[in-house]
Amino acid sequence: SQQGEEDPQALSIQEGENATMNCSYKTSINNLQWYRQNSGRGLVHLILIRSNEREKHSGRLRVTLDTSKKSSSLLITASRAADTASYFCATIQGGSEKLVFGKGTKLTVNP
Amino acid sequence: DAGVIQSPRHEVTEMGQEVTLRCKPISGHNSLFWYRQTMMRGLELLIYFNNNVPIDDSGMPEDRFSAKMPNASFSTLKIQPSEPRDSAVYFCASSLGTGRNTGELFFGEGSRLTVL
Repeated sequence: SQQGEEDPQALSIQEGENATMNCSYKTSINNLQWYRQNSGRGLVHLILIRSNEREKHSGRLRVTLDTSKKSSSLLITASRAADTASYFCATIQGGSEKLVFGKGTKLTVNP
Repeated sequence: DAGVIQSPRHEVTEMGQEVTLRCKPISGHNSLFWYRQTMMRGLELLIYFNNNVPIDDSGMPEDRFSAKMPNASFSTLKIQPSEPRDSAVYFCASSLGTGRNTGELFFGEGSRLTVL
C-alpha cells in the first residue's frame, strides 16, 4: 500500500495563482520528501523536511509538516506554465525502511 | 556529474524474451533503487541495494525478475521471460544514506519497456 497519498489527484490553475498539494501518510517518519516529474522524465527532488521541522522554504516552494495529523502540504506560489508536472511526496514506510511514493498530484498551469 | 544513467531509454520486445535494463549510479552514492511506474500502480519500489548488497527485494513481483549490482558503478534489472503486464517505465535512482536515513534520491530518465 502507498505510504503517502496526495490530494488532489489533479489540479488546474492559471499562471500567477498559487497551487497547494497535500500529502497524508500512515506511520511515523524521519523525513518527508517532495519530488516533481515532468512528462516523460525522471523524478527530480524538490525539498526534504525532517520530522522535527514544521515548515521549510525553497524559492517559490513552501512545505509544511504536521506530524500530529500525519500530513504535509506543498505550496507553489506565483505559478508558471513551467511548473506543469506531477508532484509526489515520499516517506520511509515504518518498519520497512523503504522510501515509498504516493500516486502524485498532476498540476497543470495554464498560461 | 552526468547523473544517473539508464539504458536503454526505450525497449520494445515480444512476450517471452529476456529483457535487461542497466543503470550507472552517481559516483560516491552508496544506495541504489529500482522503481517501476505504471498508471495503475504508480511508483513501486522493486529492490534496493546498499554498498552493492541487496537489502530489500520484497517488491520484486515474481521470480521472473532479478537484479544484480556487481560493483558500485553498475546495476542490472533482468526480466526473463517477459510478459505484456511488465510493460512500464523502470527507474533507477541512487542516493547517499539508506534505510530511515535515506535522503535525496537522484533518478535516471527511465527505461520505457513495452512487451508485445
